[in-house]
Amino acid sequence: QQQVKQSPQSLIVQKGGISIINCAYENTAFDYFPWYQQFPGKGPALLIAIRPDVSEKKEGRFTISFNKSAKQFSLHIMDSQPGDSATYFCAASRAGGTSYGKLTFGQGTILTVHP
Amino acid sequence: ETGVTQTPRHLVMGMTNKKSLKCEQHLGHNAMYWYKQSAKKPLELMFVYNFKEQTENNSVPSRFSPECPNSSHLFLHLHTLQPEDSALYLCASSPDRLAGSYSYNEQFFGPGTRLTVL
Repeated sequence: QQQVKQSPQSLIVQKGGISIINCAYENTAFDYFPWYQQFPGKGPALLIAIRPDVSEKKEGRFTISFNKSAKQFSLHIMDSQPGDSATYFCAASRAGGTSYGKLTFGQGTILTVHP
Repeated sequence: ETGVTQTPRHLVMGMTNKKSLKCEQHLGHNAMYWYKQSAKKPLELMFVYNFKEQTENNSVPSRFSPECPNSSHLFLHLHTLQPEDSALYLCASSPDRLAGSYSYNEQFFGPGTRLTVL
């Protein structure tokens, strides 16, 4: 019930291409869906986040698409650059109760963008 | 120093050793977290402290003992660890778990301590 399933495990994209990473969740009480980006030797850093009252959020080249009925959300990276090569984690949490502020993470996707 | 810092960055210890990991946040946050990151597994939340009080212990073995003396510092004391405890241990902080805004969930991570248990 608390799982967040992320796919693919790894992704190779050419420079300028679109990278798409998908996540699915089970707990319908989740109401906050962030994506984190992690470079080697660094901790994860918040990239972009969405709430379920909107179906899409865009920040620069990064877009989250959210499908509440399907319990799925995805990260799209447009015009992918070699500097985007990193590990990406989706996460989810719910407000209220004892789980307030507790993030459940997906397994991560290693993105490699070739020049 | 800004953000979240962790020391040491790398640690090798034997199964009978006792060591401590240190985390310090310079962001004025009130909540702090310990996570374990193992290869090909999701980040595992270990402990949560909010205003110095432990609010979450995610069934972590007693060989891991957290300490939060104030809102800026968090320690993880390690003793009689097992080789399977080898992982990257990440500390994070967030403004306030009980804030009314969704931004409360933004957690800022440190660079982690790479722990190897021999």
